[in-house]
Amino acid sequence: QVTLKESGPTLVKPTQALTLTCTFSGFSLNTYTKGVAWIRQPPGKALEWLALIYWDDNKRYNPYLKSRLAISGDTSKNQVVLTMTNMDPVDTATYFCAHRLCSGGACHDAFDVWGQGIMVTVSS
Amino acid sequence: SYVLTQPPSEAVAPGKTAAITCEGDNIGSKSVYWYQKKPRQPPVLIIFDSTDRASGIPERFSASNSANTATLTISWVEGGDEADYFCQVWVNSKTEPNWVFGGGTKLTVL
Repeated sequence: QVTLKESGPTLVKPTQALTLTCTFSGFSLNTYTKGVAWIRQPPGKALEWLALIYWDDNKRYNPYLKSRLAISGDTSKNQVVLTMTNMDPVDTATYFCAHRLCSGGACHDAFDVWGQGIMVTVSS
Repeated sequence: SYVLTQPPSEAVAPGKTAAITCEGDNIGSKSVYWYQKKPRQPPVLIIFDSTDRASGIPERFSASNSANTATLTISWVEGGDEADYFCQVWVNSKTEPNWVFGGGTKLTVL
């Protein structure tokens, strides 16, 4: 059974960096086709994809935020870490990590298991 | 960038059918994914590859995708279906976000 859980600070000050950790179980990130993404949802707004790391350490970033983002994986700890620099109040959101959907021998560009999310507030 | 447009809200009486649309340029050529999101809960994948129900999703949920519109249909709507629904596609691009979500539709069960 795949599970994911986000951890990190719930309050950061403007201009600070945010580091979030996704700790998962039920799969290994270095298994062919696996991927873990970070997605956020500001209060009352839509979901926004931030970054994704694949089993082969290939990484994809939202180009509009790419200069502020870094994603990395630690297969020994079953963790994926997201760092976002220069935080601003508009970055206040619930941040989710999510598992790439693979079903019936095929993988899809979507997410079938999500963590509960962590609400991060950016305020001085 | 690729934009997915959803109506902000839909309202339906219990037992009736809800249809939630997701419009995008030639979306019929893409695989569309639908998520259900309830307050204080993570999104739940309900439809993948435009028309396939995810594991454990009731048959009341179905979807279609053609031309510029994808549609999620919920038959025999129940109170527990009240939630936000998001569509999502993947875009092959180096300059735009690869995973794109619609703005979401809040389904209210009257």
